[in-house]
Amino acid sequence: DIQMTQSPSSLSASVGDRVTIACRASQSISTYLNWYQQKPGKAPNLLIYGASSLQSGVPSRFSGSGSGTDFTLTISSLQPEDFATYYCQQSYSAPRTFGQGTKVEIK
Amino acid sequence: QVQLVESGGGVVQTGRSLRLSCAASGFTFNNYGMHWVRQAPAKGLEWVAAISSDGGDKSYADSVRGRFTISRDNSRNTLYLIMSSLTVEDAAVYYCAKDPYFGSGHYYYFDYWGQGTLVSVSS
Repeated sequence: DIQMTQSPSSLSASVGDRVTIACRASQSISTYLNWYQQKPGKAPNLLIYGASSLQSGVPSRFSGSGSGTDFTLTISSLQPEDFATYYCQQSYSAPRTFGQGTKVEIK
Repeated sequence: QVQLVESGGGVVQTGRSLRLSCAASGFTFNNYGMHWVRQAPAKGLEWVAAISSDGGDKSYADSVRGRFTISRDNSRNTLYLIMSSLTVEDAAVYYCAKDPYFGSGHYYYFDYWGQGTLVSVSS
C-alpha cells in the first residue's frame, strides 16, 4: 500500500496568514493527488484534484502543487471559514489511501 | 444539486450484519461510479469499496473484503453496503461518495459526499 504522510499534524495560524501543508507519498504517484477539507461533524469537501486543479466552487486562495512524491496545499490568505482539518489522498493505485490529516487551528 | 443521503446505521453486536443505503439525486446516477468511505471516531479516512456505474465492477479494501458487499440499484438511484461479521474495528461514520468519472471507469477520488451514517459495534 502507498503510505501518505502529512506535515505538520496540526498548526496554529491567524486570519490573513499564508498556510502551507505538505503531503509525501511513499512511492511516486505522478499527479494523482487530491486534497479535502473537513469541518467538525461534516463530510469532507474536495478542494484540489490532480495535484493542482481547483474543484469548481472552491475559492482561488486554495492552490495545490507537486508531483512524484512531494505535494503541497497552500492557502494564500487564511479566512475564518478555513479553520478545519485537511486530508491528502492518492488516487494512483489500490487501495486509495489518505494522509492522517492536518488540523488548522486559530492562533 | 447533487445530494447523497445515507441511512441504515445504528448499534449492532459483533458478528452481526447491517445494510447501509445511500439515496442519490441531482445527477444521472447510472453514469457514475460510487464509493463508500469510512471514518472511525476521531480518526482519519479509509476508502472501503467502489462500484462501477453499471454495477459490474466492484473493488474492496483488504480490511473488508469477503465481509462487505457493495451493490447498486440504478432504477432506484440507490447505493448499498451490506456489512457482515462486523467487528469493533468496523465502527465508524460511513460516507457514500460519488466518483467524478463519467462512464464505466473510476478516477478514485470523490467530488460529492453524503452526510454520513454512524455504525457502532458493541461486543
